[in-house]
Amino acid sequence: EVQLLESGGGLVQPGGSLRLSCAASGFTFSNYDMNWVRQAPGKGLEWVSVISSSGGSAVGSTNYADSVKGRFTISRDNSKNTLYLQMNSLRAEDTATYYCAKNMCGGRVASCYRFDQWGQGTLVTVSS
Amino acid sequence: EIVMTQSPATLSVSPGERATLSCRASQSVSFNLAWYQQRPGQAPRLLIYGASARATGIPARFSGSGSGTEFTLTISSLQSEDFAIYYCQQSDMWPLTFGGGTKVEIK
Repeated sequence: EVQLLESGGGLVQPGGSLRLSCAASGFTFSNYDMNWVRQAPGKGLEWVSVISSSGGSAVGSTNYADSVKGRFTISRDNSKNTLYLQMNSLRAEDTATYYCAKNMCGGRVASCYRFDQWGQGTLVTVSS
Repeated sequence: EIVMTQSPATLSVSPGERATLSCRASQSVSFNLAWYQQRPGQAPRLLIYGASARATGIPARFSGSGSGTEFTLTISSLQSEDFAIYYCQQSDMWPLTFGGGTKVEIK
């Protein structure tokens, strides 16, 4: 059974930092691109970031929504089956439940970038 | 970015009736369109991918159609567990974008 378990959420002051983790099990983690998707309280879904199956720093191995570019960094450790999201310079508008989400297939084509498995989410609240 | 617009925002339907939800893209996304269901307090669940293919374990009462810029999700006979919020998502172009959602409520 596929499981994605997020952790690391909490209350942080504006301008602060937080690191989210997502522990994966039940599938070959290193074969799939992984994503973070967030949902502000009472609002819709917003895709945040994606990282390629191998991770790394090569151009095109990560991608970000404009709203978080330059502030958030996605990474992964395939030896630990864990996805991360480092969030810096947090703002009130970053307050949301953050979900990790698995790509449906292992390729790097448009048809793979839908999410067939989701974690239960971790709540990040940015407030003074 | 591609803007996804869902309508209506809220749909009131009686159990057993048919529900038709719409999703429009600001430019063509070909068949790269997925639908998700989100029940209160739960994570989203993939229903439909590739505009019309049902995901694993999804009942046959859910069907998707369309291509390019116009898409439809149809629930043929609403069950109690189907009252939820539904989102469409395009994966044709970065950034990936979602529609604002359609809430299906009990009439």
